[in-house]
Amino acid sequence: AQRVTQPEKLLSVFKGAPVELKCNYSYSGSPELFWYVQYSRQRLQLLLRHISRESIKGFTADLNKGETSFHLKKPFAQEEDSAMYYCALRGAGSYQLTFGKGTKLSVIP
Amino acid sequence: SAVISQKPSRDICQRGTSLTIQCQVDSQVTMMFWYRQQPGQSLTLIATANQGSEATYESGFVIDKFPISRPNLTFSTLTVSNMSPEDSSIYLCSVEGLASDTQYFGPGTRLTVL
Repeated sequence: AQRVTQPEKLLSVFKGAPVELKCNYSYSGSPELFWYVQYSRQRLQLLLRHISRESIKGFTADLNKGETSFHLKKPFAQEEDSAMYYCALRGAGSYQLTFGKGTKLSVIP
Repeated sequence: SAVISQKPSRDICQRGTSLTIQCQVDSQVTMMFWYRQQPGQSLTLIATANQGSEATYESGFVIDKFPISRPNLTFSTLTVSNMSPEDSSIYLCSVEGLASDTQYFGPGTRLTVL
């Protein structure tokens, strides 16, 4: 069975501080990993996916197969980064997304 | 990315009644999905809706409780039948585009059952 774990329910950081949102997964194969973000009063939207290897809004995430992790990082947090962040996994050949429980990021001015 | 709308955006319903949620996409899509997000919980996939075939339900979800229609490539409905307070959740539609393997989400329908 596939599983996504986000150990932190809430993460508070000061503006300008580095941010790391943790995501660990369990899957016996080569998964595809995603980060979705939901800003206040907005719909869930894709932030980034590991196969793109791109930086969106200053965020990056590297898939570490050895540690089965896909942590989301940003060197300098901004107030507009305050949102709910969900890590999600899709197994090979599947359309189904398995989501973690989410981490609420609060950036303190 | 696809533009997805859901109706209604929210509703308050009485126990024992049923509610049908509509999902409309502005372009043709291959796959449509229905998720549930209970208070304080993550998103859980209810079923996958393919045009022209029966929906595929995930473990713990049955067609009698959550009948789904997918009459064409831009529209789907989810019905929550014989509702109880435990069905109070946000219900989300998502789509996977014909030219993309990324899922995009609708705004959600917030359902409260009294």
